[in-house]
Amino acid sequence: AQSVTQLDSQVPVFEEAPVELRCNYSSSVSVYLFWYVQYPNQGLQLLLKYLSGSTLVKGINGFEAEFNKSQTSFHLRKPSVHISDTAEYFCAVTPLGGATNKLIFGTGTLLAVQP
Amino acid sequence: SAVISQKPSRDICQRGTSLTIQCQVDSQVTMMFWYRQQPGQSLTLIATANQGSEATYESGFVIDKFPISRPNLTFSTLTVSNMSPEDSSIYLCSVVGLGAEAFFGQGTRLTVV
Repeated sequence: AQSVTQLDSQVPVFEEAPVELRCNYSSSVSVYLFWYVQYPNQGLQLLLKYLSGSTLVKGINGFEAEFNKSQTSFHLRKPSVHISDTAEYFCAVTPLGGATNKLIFGTGTLLAVQP
Repeated sequence: SAVISQKPSRDICQRGTSLTIQCQVDSQVTMMFWYRQQPGQSLTLIATANQGSEATYESGFVIDKFPISRPNLTFSTLTVSNMSPEDSSIYLCSVVGLGAEAFFGQGTRLTVV
């Protein structure tokens, strides 16, 4: 079975400051990793994904994430945030080679960008 | 990518009634997924809907409460039956693309009074 932990339920940050949203996972098999963003009253949008290859992946809106297999982490970073980045961010995994492609989500981190 | 349309986008329902949510995808897909997002919570998978076979339900979810139809490769419905206030949630339809990423509909915001 897989599980995803997002330790920070809320991260307040000032505009133009850097931010890191933490994600750790547990799995007995290899996984694909994802970060999704949910803006208020909207569905989920894919920010970035790690399937294989380079451990540093770049996504939309200036976000990037680094896969660390030894620490089973996939932290999301942005060097300078904007007010418009205020949203809920979800880390998710799906096991490789499974019968389905279902996602296991973390509990989410609310990024609150303040002016 | 895939474009997913969900209807209705929101509804307020009386307890004891049922609501059927529709999900339409702009391309043919083998599996469609139904998630629930309770207020302030993360997403939890309800079931996986395969065309031509019965849906596969996750632990804690049963067919009598959440019957699912999958009549073809682009459409599915989820019914929330005999609703109670605890069923107030956002229900999301999802499909998986060739790159393993999931695409989501805008969700159905259900309030049970």
